Amino acid sequence: RKEVEQDPGPFNVPEGATVAFNCTYSNSASQSFFWYRQDCRKEPKLLMSVYSSGNEDGRFTAQLNRASQYISLLIRDSKLSDSATYLCVVNDYKLSFGAGTTVTVRA
Amino acid sequence: GAVVSQHPSRVICKSGTSVKIECRSLDFQATTMFWYRQFPKQSLMLMATSNEGSKATYEQGVEKDKFLINHASLTLSTLTVTSAHPEDSSFYICSARGLADGVTSDTQYFGPGTRLTVL
Repeated sequence: RKEVEQDPGPFNVPEGATVAFNCTYSNSASQSFFWYRQDCRKEPKLLMSVYSSGNEDGRFTAQLNRASQYISLLIRDSKLSDSATYLCVVNDYKLSFGAGTTVTVRA
Repeated sequence: GAVVSQHPSRVICKSGTSVKIECRSLDFQATTMFWYRQFPKQSLMLMATSNEGSKATYEQGVEKDKFLINHASLTLSTLTVTSAHPEDSSFYICSARGLADGVTSDTQYFGPGTRLTVL
């Protein structure tokens, strides 16, 4: 089983829509989680950390479900600029990356 | 945020040659640098972790004699792909973690990546 698994998508949504996707992780002892964003042929950039209580940053909401070992990302009011690949990252003694979920927002 | 640069951004070379990639932290001291590799549509895979002044720690399956890592200063780490072959073609990304304003930070800052194509 991979350490971090994501639905690759793609999720094709119209502008203004809400899109949400999950990521599962294998290590039940993991404590630290992040969502990164990666644009085509670029380096990943930190989008947000994921806290136990869930957290929101503008149109982005991240949730952690320890019992089921998954984290989620929800994007509200999608913009064209949100089109990217979203990487789920688990930080144990090293960063373990998922393969990414591709989101395409169309006009 | 902190800035990490990589050079070159893109390199094309013939099979059998060696390629050196530099990773620099521009505005902070990087006590630890990480090297990742990413194949198309796959996740970033950690290749090795290097602490300034000591030998790198390689992940399982990564040949240390093929991927030479040097972290001789707090602002520079290099990755040399020796005798590169077409299967080494990939996107190589470094990240750095270290001291910012005198405080040890747990955040990794990523370089822009180097796209290696071996013919």
